[in-house]
Amino acid sequence: DVKVTQSSRYLVKRTGEKVFLECVQDMDHENMFWYRQDPGLGLRLIYFSYDVKMKEKGDIPEGYSVSREKKERFSLILESASTNQTSMYLCASSGGQLQYFGPGTRLTVT
Amino acid sequence: QKEVEQDPGPLSVPEGAIVSLNCTYSNSAFQYFMWYRQYSRKGPELLMYTYSSGNKEDGRFTAQVDKSSKYISLFIRDSQPSDSATYLCAMRQIIQGAQKLVFGQGTRLTINP
Repeated sequence: DVKVTQSSRYLVKRTGEKVFLECVQDMDHENMFWYRQDPGLGLRLIYFSYDVKMKEKGDIPEGYSVSREKKERFSLILESASTNQTSMYLCASSGGQLQYFGPGTRLTVT
Repeated sequence: QKEVEQDPGPLSVPEGAIVSLNCTYSNSAFQYFMWYRQYSRKGPELLMYTYSSGNKEDGRFTAQVDKSSKYISLFIRDSQPSDSATYLCAMRQIIQGAQKLVFGQGTRLTINP
């Protein structure tokens, strides 16, 4: 079974803090993705990576950056957290046609 | 207009009923079609996927794709309370060599015992 893990299930941060969300997959997948999920808006793609040290902007990259130093790990960085970044963050990985999701991190920025 | 439209519900049915969940889409470039199930406060779990028009069955679940009408459905037979979740349709497209999924908004389903 594909396993995608995320470093935290729940996180509370203050406005202006730098926030790191970590994602690890154990299936040697090339592609990894970060989404955020908000009521009424569904899942929206923030960034994705198709190889180590490669990254591509998704639909809503503003206010975020990513890092992929190793194939199994993909990090999402909020450079200066703001209240409108309060959301559920989902990581996914893919080795082909299908994407598999982690459990999600519910981030609250106060 | 969104590329993928899905009625957000909520949808509430009695146990044992047949459930029909639907999505429409506008982009003919979409290829793979997927259904994810998401329990409250959990990540989406891949339920079924299909590539071509027609039906695909897996136990109590049937995924149906009609490319000519740009319409996909998920049927759940003999629905159980454990099927209560949000169901997301997703469609894959290739942009500049990279695969991307476009999701519907999700339909919240409740099966009442």
